[in-house]
Amino acid sequence: AQSVAQPEDQVNVAEGNPLTVKCTYSVSGNPYLFWYVQYPNRGLQFLLKYITGDNLVKGSYGFEAEFNKSQTSFHLKKPSALVSDSALYFCAVSHRSGGYQKVTFGTGTKLQVIP
Amino acid sequence: DAGVIQSPRHEVTEMGQEVTLRCKPISGHDYLFWYRQTMMRGLELLIYFNNNVPIDDSGMPEDRFSAKMPNASFSTLKIQPSEPRDSAVYFCASRPQRENTEAFFGQGTRLTVV
Repeated sequence: AQSVAQPEDQVNVAEGNPLTVKCTYSVSGNPYLFWYVQYPNRGLQFLLKYITGDNLVKGSYGFEAEFNKSQTSFHLKKPSALVSDSALYFCAVSHRSGGYQKVTFGTGTKLQVIP
Repeated sequence: DAGVIQSPRHEVTEMGQEVTLRCKPISGHDYLFWYRQTMMRGLELLIYFNNNVPIDDSGMPEDRFSAKMPNASFSTLKIQPSEPRDSAVYFCASRPQRENTEAFFGQGTRLTVV
């Protein structure tokens, strides 16, 4: 079965420190991987995606993610965290299911940036 | 484009009443998804459509839930009768046909069933 796992329910990091939010996936074939962010009382917003090519993907708000095929991981990173980065982060994998493209989301990781 | 538009933003209803949630996807998008988000279960995919046709409704929790997409610019999610455990935030999302494209989410409808 196709799946995506976010092993941490919550990540706490001090403002100015680097942050990492972890994601691993299980999917046959070549995956399309995504990160979304959800601020309170808002819908999910797209941050970045991996399709093919360079394993390091850069996205919005200074975020980046590294695709690691051998470890089946797609961790989200940022060199210096801001308090405004505090939000819920979702990893997602897009895969073929019955001839259609289905997206499976992880359970989400709450990022808390401490001033 | 104004993005994915959902209405209402908030809905409070009494148990047993019918509830209808509405979604207008982004023009030109071929896929439409309905999700439910709760603290306990996280983000759940309820059903999705491709070109107005329901493709997978295995996430719909019970027969009380139904969804329709009568045309490319409108979809509804109906709960009849509603129950307190249906209280959640319901999101609609749409995306183009190309398989490497991201989905665009609406602001959600916060449903409270009392």
